Amino acid sequence: GAVVSQHPSWVICKSGTSVKIECRSLDFQATTMFWYRQFPKQSLMLMATSNEGSKATYEQGVEKDKFLINHASLTLSTLTVTSAHPEDSSFYICSAGRGRDTEAFFGQGTRLTVV
Amino acid sequence: DQQVKQNSPSLSVQEGRISILNCDYTNSMFDYFLWYKKYPAEGPTFLISISSIKDKNEDGRFTVFLNKSAKHLSLHIVPSQPGDSAVYFCAAMSYGNEKLTFGTGTRLTIIP
Repeated sequence: GAVVSQHPSWVICKSGTSVKIECRSLDFQATTMFWYRQFPKQSLMLMATSNEGSKATYEQGVEKDKFLINHASLTLSTLTVTSAHPEDSSFYICSAGRGRDTEAFFGQGTRLTVV
Repeated sequence: DQQVKQNSPSLSVQEGRISILNCDYTNSMFDYFLWYKKYPAEGPTFLISISSIKDKNEDGRFTVFLNKSAKHLSLHIVPSQPGDSAVYFCAAMSYGNEKLTFGTGTRLTIIP
């Protein structure tokens, strides 16, 4: 199957700093990537849809100025958590697909802890 | 508004028996459904999918059933194995859209 690589797998940062998470499709081109957040014992919540060459589409309630998404190429999308706070601590996961009616491939996830 | 629901947060099944995980949806625009398995601190991995033009899809030990009139799908795992212990998410998408809507997940524990 296709491979989506997410980096880093875990990160600890201080409050007020920014953290960048990368999501790469290794063996296919993804015009669209998705960013999810998972709170403990809860479902995956879609944060935003990342579109190559255009602005990301954010879900209701997600602060676009706080969670900056850049889809620089067909194989790379980045999520930057700006001015991180402890409540941003969570598990962030990206996914990419090769089109509709196909499985989405997920990155390994990033555990962010803000202290 | 939870458009995809998994009403059982947890399920325990004896090894070798059948595991049945259920999922209900409310959005009639959904026409493609997927099941994912997730271990802690890892991304979900795809298990099996079904299109709304079918009512059953089988892949090895995994079978997904779709009842469109009831807006209900289920995942059957038989025989259940210890390695099946994980959280299972159902997901749905609608025509023309790659965006997945996930259910709340069911934690499956296989008892040796």
